[in-house]
Amino acid sequence: AQSVTQLGSHVSVSEGALVLLRCNYSSSVPPYLFWYVQYPNQGLQLLLKYTTGATLVKGINGFEAEFKKSETSFHLTKPSAHMSDAAEYFCAVSDFGNEKLTFGTGTRLTIIP
Amino acid sequence: DAEITQSPRHKITETGRQVTLACHQTWNHNNMFWYRQDLGHGLRLIHYSYGVQDTNKGEVSDGYSVSRSNTEDLPLTLESAASSQTSVYFCASSEAVGTSGRPGETQYFGPGTRLLVL
Repeated sequence: AQSVTQLGSHVSVSEGALVLLRCNYSSSVPPYLFWYVQYPNQGLQLLLKYTTGATLVKGINGFEAEFKKSETSFHLTKPSAHMSDAAEYFCAVSDFGNEKLTFGTGTRLTIIP
Repeated sequence: DAEITQSPRHKITETGRQVTLACHQTWNHNNMFWYRQDLGHGLRLIHYSYGVQDTNKGEVSDGYSVSRSNTEDLPLTLESAASSQTSVYFCASSEAVGTSGRPGETQYFGPGTRLLVL
């Protein structure tokens, strides 16, 4: 069975600082990996995803993530945090033949002015 | 523009009542999903459908049912609402791999329905 672990339910960073949100997964087959963002009182929006090919994936709003098979990780980064990045972030996994998503428990990102 | 909508956006009901949450998508996606979001649990899958007349149980399906009579709609029914079903419910849809030929298709989410069971 697939699972996703997001380390840190709350992360605070200063405006302009590096954002690093951690995600580790377990899957018995090559995974497809996703990061979604949820702004207050809204649905989830895709930030980026990895399916095949290049392991460094760039997404919207300056975010990127790198798939590291040896570490079973898919951490999300952004070089310089902006106030508008304050939101909840979810990592999710699926695999070939299984179009369902398994989500992590989420990380709430707070930006300190 | 294609979209996915949910109604109502907010609902208060009493324990024991039957409640139906609507989900409608205009993406023409074959796949549709229902999740519930609870603090500390992230999103958990309730039911899903890969096409008309197809429904499947997810991780937390007890007390819920769905039916898929057309491509656009997947209503979620709480047969007899319980306080433990107080939650935020999200519907999502995605294109089927069999249609697009691309694994790892993105799921598009609706705005959510906030349900309070008293």
